[in-house]
Amino acid sequence: SAVISQKPSRDICQRGTSLTIQCQVDSQVTMMFWYRQQPGQSLTLIATANQGSEATYESGFVIDKFPISRPNLTFSTLTVSNMSPEDSSIYLCSVDSQGLTSEQYFGPGTRLTVT
Amino acid sequence: AQSVSQHNHHVILSEAASLELGCNYSYGGTVNLFWYVQYPGQHLQLLLKYFSGDPLVKGIKGFEAEFIKSKFSFNLRKPSVQWSDTAEYFCAGSKEGNMLTFGGGTRLMVKP
Repeated sequence: SAVISQKPSRDICQRGTSLTIQCQVDSQVTMMFWYRQQPGQSLTLIATANQGSEATYESGFVIDKFPISRPNLTFSTLTVSNMSPEDSSIYLCSVDSQGLTSEQYFGPGTRLTVT
Repeated sequence: AQSVSQHNHHVILSEAASLELGCNYSYGGTVNLFWYVQYPGQHLQLLLKYFSGDPLVKGIKGFEAEFIKSKFSFNLRKPSVQWSDTAEYFCAGSKEGNMLTFGGGTRLMVKP
């Protein structure tokens, strides 16, 4: 299994600002994923980040709002841009298990509160 | 559209009671199924997984799940719950590639 860390673990931000969340993995992985977990709800996939290519966004999520970087096989960032209170969520990154079985390992999450 | 649904949103049990959490999926064909658990203040952890073979899979902490293809179900079970099982449980599935779809989650509270 992979060990995943995220920074920051939590933050309180003002409306209109942006926050960049970092995800670091202890091994090289092909695919990294970013999820959002809104209060009291399940996980929703924001985008898939592959090294060396543009991230693939799910319906309802756009690159201008959630730009993603994937500079190498162990690191990715997600930026939440021009934040509003509706962006208050837990943001999680995950990595695949190096196979086609879809087993994923999750980071501890970043709890974002927008005031 | 492919989806995963969990019908029990909140479950309250006493210690030693038996647990069964429902999960249904809408995929056709080959499917990979998972149960994840999120303990209070902790991150998501994989409880168990089904890819193929024996439809009864055993996971960590005494949990098991049964894949019933005819019912499109993958229910999670534990014969005797403990207070430490209090957590939120998520069923997830995928059909191809690495795209996981999560169910809405079930919050389990075990009373000591």
